[in-house]
Amino acid sequence: AQTVTQSQPEMSVQEAETVTLSCTYDTSESNYYLFWYKQPPSRQMILVIRQEAYKQQNATENRFSVNFQKAAKSFSLKISDSQLGDTAMYFCAFMKLHYTGANSKLTFGKGITLSVRP
Amino acid sequence: DTGVSQDPRHKITKRGQNVTFRCDPISEHNRLYWYRQTLGQGPEFLTYFQNEAQLEKSRLLSDRFSAERPKGSFSTLEIQRTEQGDSAMYLCASSLYLWREGWDEQYFGPGTRLTVT
Repeated sequence: AQTVTQSQPEMSVQEAETVTLSCTYDTSESNYYLFWYKQPPSRQMILVIRQEAYKQQNATENRFSVNFQKAAKSFSLKISDSQLGDTAMYFCAFMKLHYTGANSKLTFGKGITLSVRP
Repeated sequence: DTGVSQDPRHKITKRGQNVTFRCDPISEHNRLYWYRQTLGQGPEFLTYFQNEAQLEKSRLLSDRFSAERPKGSFSTLEIQRTEQGDSAMYLCASSLYLWREGWDEQYFGPGTRLTVT
């Protein structure tokens, strides 16, 4: 079974600055995806960024980038030029790759509450 | 709006009552998932459907819970004889799973917040 650990419950950052959210995971699988999801207050969860485990290059999406360390089983999210709209709960999640049609459920960490200060 | 919708958004019920939630997925998505999120925790998988077939249920899903997805479209999640421990946010997600891809991007609905008094 997979586990995802987010040990920082809360973080705060000044608008326009950079913040890094940490995540570690444990799995015996070799083929998987890692994700960061954003859940704004009272709004639905949206996908921020994903990383394929077989790719060494770190994923980037505009102001969001990841630092994927496969051997260390670490997957952190960096948010550059933080904006007020980035205030949300952020979840790290794991998905095993299945080419057999099996369950592709997500396993989530506990989440981290990020507050961006004006 | 063509996203995932859930109804109701909030439900308050008394212990022992039955409740039913509905999820309407994105059109043509073949997979539908139910997750439960309690305060201070990340969502936990409950069950999922591939079209109309329910293929897996978590151990979290006691026999008081039942889910359906008739005709592979919308889904319902029913909880019988609710308990205070059932209080949580119930999230639905849908996806288009393609075997050649091996994974699917899940789109989440806004959730139904259940409070059992």
